[in-house]
Amino acid sequence: KAGVTQTPRYLIKTRGQQVTLSCSPISGHRSVSWYQQTPGQGLQFLFEYFSETQRNKGNFPGRFSGRQFSNSRSEMNVSTLELGDSALYLCASTLPGTGYTDTQYFGPGTRLTVL
Amino acid sequence: AQSVTQPDIHITVSEGASLELRCNYSYGATPYLFWYVQSPGQGLQLLLKYFSGDTLVQGIKGFEAEFKRSQSSFNLRKPSVHWSDAAEYFCAVGAWSGAGSYQLTFGKGTKLSVIP
Repeated sequence: KAGVTQTPRYLIKTRGQQVTLSCSPISGHRSVSWYQQTPGQGLQFLFEYFSETQRNKGNFPGRFSGRQFSNSRSEMNVSTLELGDSALYLCASTLPGTGYTDTQYFGPGTRLTVL
Repeated sequence: AQSVTQPDIHITVSEGASLELRCNYSYGATPYLFWYVQSPGQGLQLLLKYFSGDTLVQGIKGFEAEFKRSQSSFNLRKPSVHWSDAAEYFCAVGAWSGAGSYQLTFGKGTKLSVIP
């Protein structure tokens, strides 16, 4: 079974631009979560989607948004990019169940550099 | 809110030596606990997880972890380290939000270096 895929793997943008990152979960997984990883702050939860609905959101400004499609693929968008948005953005998919199966499987990430 | 502390930022061990990476968590209920490993430029790979039952859990690549409720710890161990184990290791606690969502809270990570 194919793992979580993220595109693109690398991205370079300039301040003020916007960017869209894509995540395709493991087949059959319906929950997708996004995390930001930076050397200073570590891994921080951005948001989680399930059945096209955002169920939870971390402590990030409104410039960070996302959505999920009917096939469970998810996109996240960052508008008005700032230098501090440079990070590795990781997507994780889950097959929601009773808790026992709530293991998140991660993709390779998208490395975003803002100049 | 839950939190995870990994006290050691960087650990160096010799190949063949034993390894223990520390993890302490704070969570009001029974935690779901995980260890992930990340190689440079890569995503996170799940090593092992604890949900309930036996407090000693076995994972991939010869790793194991022991859940100690009294100490709020979930330390990762390996009896004999291989050079390929050099990577960054993250401990995480999973928790449900009031909205019925589930998220992971990670520690800051421990970078493992292995001396040949």
